[in-house]
Amino acid sequence: EAQLVESGGGLVQPGESLRLSCAASGFTFSSYAMSWVRQAPGKGPEWVSTIHGGGGGTAYADSVKGRFTISRDNSKNTVYLQMNNLRVEDTATYYCAQRSTFSGGSFDYWGQGTLVTVSS
Amino acid sequence: EMVVTQSPATLSVSPGERATLSCRASLSVSTNLAWYQQKPGQAPRLLISGASTRATGIPARFSGSGSGTEFTLTINSLQSADSAVYYCQQYNSWPLTFGGGTKVEIK
Repeated sequence: EAQLVESGGGLVQPGESLRLSCAASGFTFSSYAMSWVRQAPGKGPEWVSTIHGGGGGTAYADSVKGRFTISRDNSKNTVYLQMNNLRVEDTATYYCAQRSTFSGGSFDYWGQGTLVTVSS
Repeated sequence: EMVVTQSPATLSVSPGERATLSCRASLSVSTNLAWYQQKPGQAPRLLISGASTRATGIPARFSGSGSGTEFTLTINSLQSADSAVYYCQQYNSWPLTFGGGTKVEIK
């Protein structure tokens, strides 16, 4: 069964940067698209970004476009989310999730999440 | 952006009874809709994809139906372990969007 473990969250000030990582195991990593989904305290989930299995295609929510960059290293079975110019409203638990294909399918497996807090 | 609306916000059901949750999309999503269960302090867990296909290991008490813009998640023979927030999510078009959730409480 797929296992996803996020890391890299923490407390940062507005305008600062953070890089999240998600280590995957239990499946052929390069065959699956990977996504980041966040959830602000007390709110529902919000899709953030998705990357193709081969890394050749990416998609972003408008709220993070131009500030966040998703990438992956298939040799390390790891997906990343580089977050720049962080805002208070980016405060959330960030989950990585496996998706069957880049342009279709549900979020089949989720990690346990990593908390990002943006505050001065 | 595709808006996904869930109702009711909260549902209180007795053990052994049936819970019926609704999800509506602002435009047709065909059957490109999923349901997730989230318990406090945990990540969401996939229950249903393709509007009606149960994920691996999900009990048959959970069933999904619908297509186009109207969808339903039904939980039969409700158990205390089913107390959670349930979200629907469309994956027919970018951006991928979630509903606001329905909290299922056990009476």
